[in-house]
Amino acid sequence: DTGVSQDPRHKITKRGQNVTFRCDPISEHNRLYWYRQTLGQGPEFLTYFQNEAQLEKSRLLSDRFSAERPKGSFSTLEIQRTEQGDSAMYLCASSLWGTGLSGNTIYFGEGSWLTVV
Amino acid sequence: AQSVSQHNHHVILSEAASLELGCNYSYGGTVNLFWYVQYPGQHLQLLLKYFSGDPLVKGIKGFEAEFIKSKFSFNLRKPSVQWSDTAEYFCAVKDNYGQNFVFGPGTRLSVLP
Repeated sequence: DTGVSQDPRHKITKRGQNVTFRCDPISEHNRLYWYRQTLGQGPEFLTYFQNEAQLEKSRLLSDRFSAERPKGSFSTLEIQRTEQGDSAMYLCASSLWGTGLSGNTIYFGEGSWLTVV
Repeated sequence: AQSVSQHNHHVILSEAASLELGCNYSYGGTVNLFWYVQYPGQHLQLLLKYFSGDPLVKGIKGFEAEFIKSKFSFNLRKPSVQWSDTAEYFCAVKDNYGQNFVFGPGTRLSVLP
């Protein structure tokens, strides 16, 4: 399967612990997005990368959140000192920017569920 | 900031009924519009998209959507729903200046067999 893959699919952690999620985008996609989704809500934008450069961050992304895409391929999203309010689905998506209108479409992975207890 | 609203939180239909899900966005300039679907236990999948041209766009599985610029709307339609259409539907918009996609809160569709 050559879609967007995310790992782990589920994570249960104690409050105060750090967690890290990994996203592997569709091969050759140069843009990578992170979204957060809670039950009954639509995805909320967190941040996105073009290649290895982080170009935009939402105000939702507190100082405890950090994302990287060191080689312009996979990305990691780390949450430090987790809080119960961080419990959500963390979605990764990718697109191929710069190829005309088709670059305006993003494709999602299956998401990583985080439960903070 | 760009925002997207979806009129209905939960829609319940019987099989073969017609469907229309509302979507309105706030930005007045050029936009790209999308509908995504999330089937139970699955990831978000693209249903259809509008970039330019014919305001009536057709997507997969018999869905279509109409872009009405004067109403800032992009409503999703299907003439006859099936039980397998039970899912959550999200409208999304991207403008030409921002680089992120803004999603609506979603509409849960339940189709009764």
